[in-house]
Amino acid sequence: DVKVTQSSRYLVKRTGEKVFLECVQDMDHENMFWYRQDPGLGLRLIYFSYDVKMKEKGDIPEGYSVSREKKERFSLILESASTNQTSMYLCASSLGRTSGGRGQYFGPGTRLTVT
Amino acid sequence: GEDVEQSLFLSVREGDSSVINCTYTDSSSTYLYWYKQEPGAGLQLLTYIFSNMDMKQDQRLTVLLNKKDKHLSLRIADTQTGDSAIYFCAERTDKLIFGTGTRLQVFP
Repeated sequence: DVKVTQSSRYLVKRTGEKVFLECVQDMDHENMFWYRQDPGLGLRLIYFSYDVKMKEKGDIPEGYSVSREKKERFSLILESASTNQTSMYLCASSLGRTSGGRGQYFGPGTRLTVT
Repeated sequence: GEDVEQSLFLSVREGDSSVINCTYTDSSSTYLYWYKQEPGAGLQLLTYIFSNMDMKQDQRLTVLLNKKDKHLSLRIADTQTGDSAIYFCAERTDKLIFGTGTRLQVFP
């Protein structure tokens, strides 16, 4: 069965802290994605990666960075957390660029609160 | 630019049909998707339709695509309380663009 896991379901951090969100998929997917979900705004793409050591900016990359050292793992890094980064963070993966109808598979999400 | 719009809320009685609507702007979309998000969970792919199709049926789910009007709908027949969730439509061009989500509430 397809599995995308995220390291934490809930996380509380202080302003200015460095935050790591980890995502692991066991489906040998090429593509991995980080989104944030906010009420009334839907999902917004932060960063994505089509291969190991590759990364592309999404729609809202400011304040975030990513790392993909291994195919199965995609990390989202908040260098200095701020209160406006309080959100639900969703990781997803998919097969190669031509995966078409198979869509993306999502992890359960990490609800991050920055105080 | 790319934009996908949905109404935010829908409330239906158990046993009735639900219709969730979505409009999109990019005519080069290849696939269009419906995802379901239950409380506290990630998104689950429900169904999808290729852009050259008008309709797709999968058990209680019917997807209608009007490519001319760039309108996508999801009909859930015999809606159950377990269908209560947020439903996202998404269009695929070179990446996935998600709508804002429609919260479906089913009451007895």
